Amino acid sequence: QKEVEQNSGPLSVPEGAIASLNCTYSDRGSQSFFWYRQYSGKSPELIMFIYSNGDKEDGRFTAQLNKASQYVSLLIRDSQPSDSATYLCAVRGRNFNKFYFGSGTKLNVKP
Amino acid sequence: EAGVAQSPRYKIIEKRQSVAFWCNPISGHATLYWYQQILGQGPKLLIQFQNNGVVDDSQLPKDRFSAERLKGVDSTLKIQPAKLEDSAVYLCASSSPGLNEKLFFGSGTQLSVL
Repeated sequence: QKEVEQNSGPLSVPEGAIASLNCTYSDRGSQSFFWYRQYSGKSPELIMFIYSNGDKEDGRFTAQLNKASQYVSLLIRDSQPSDSATYLCAVRGRNFNKFYFGSGTKLNVKP
Repeated sequence: EAGVAQSPRYKIIEKRQSVAFWCNPISGHATLYWYQQILGQGPKLLIQFQNNGVVDDSQLPKDRFSAERLKGVDSTLKIQPAKLEDSAVYLCASSSPGLNEKLFFGSGTQLSVL
């Protein structure tokens, strides 16, 4: 079983819609949760992080965490073509500051 | 604040040749990571350093890959000899240990083995 699971997509949404990206993790002791955006040919860029249950909003982005269900999500409101990228979910484990990454979900925002 | 520095940006070699990548982490970051990212996959941890000590190298192919972090600052990852399946992006990342630890990546080195 992989530590972090994501649907590889692609997820296609029209411009202006809400994009919903999901991630599950296996270690119930995981401490911190991150979303990275990766444009083609570029390195991952940290866009959101969340440490406690509930929602965290930053501009058009909302990260949601449900530790009981071991589920993390990222909502992108008013999606723009510039949001088209691969989104990587990462989870920080309980030991030695290890970060586990999912395989990423490719998002296409159509004009 | 300067980010994670990596070089070279691109490298093309033939199989069985050797190659080395360099990384300088964000100033003050004690933990340094080398990840391998194959096209279409998420980053896979190769080796993790805490200062100049190895924390995890369980997924490092030690018959051909080696890494060092002398003096606990910059690091070098070497592949010798390279195989076709080593074609990937090699990402260096760093973090500062703590409750709210975050991981930051360098620009990566795209390696093509022909």
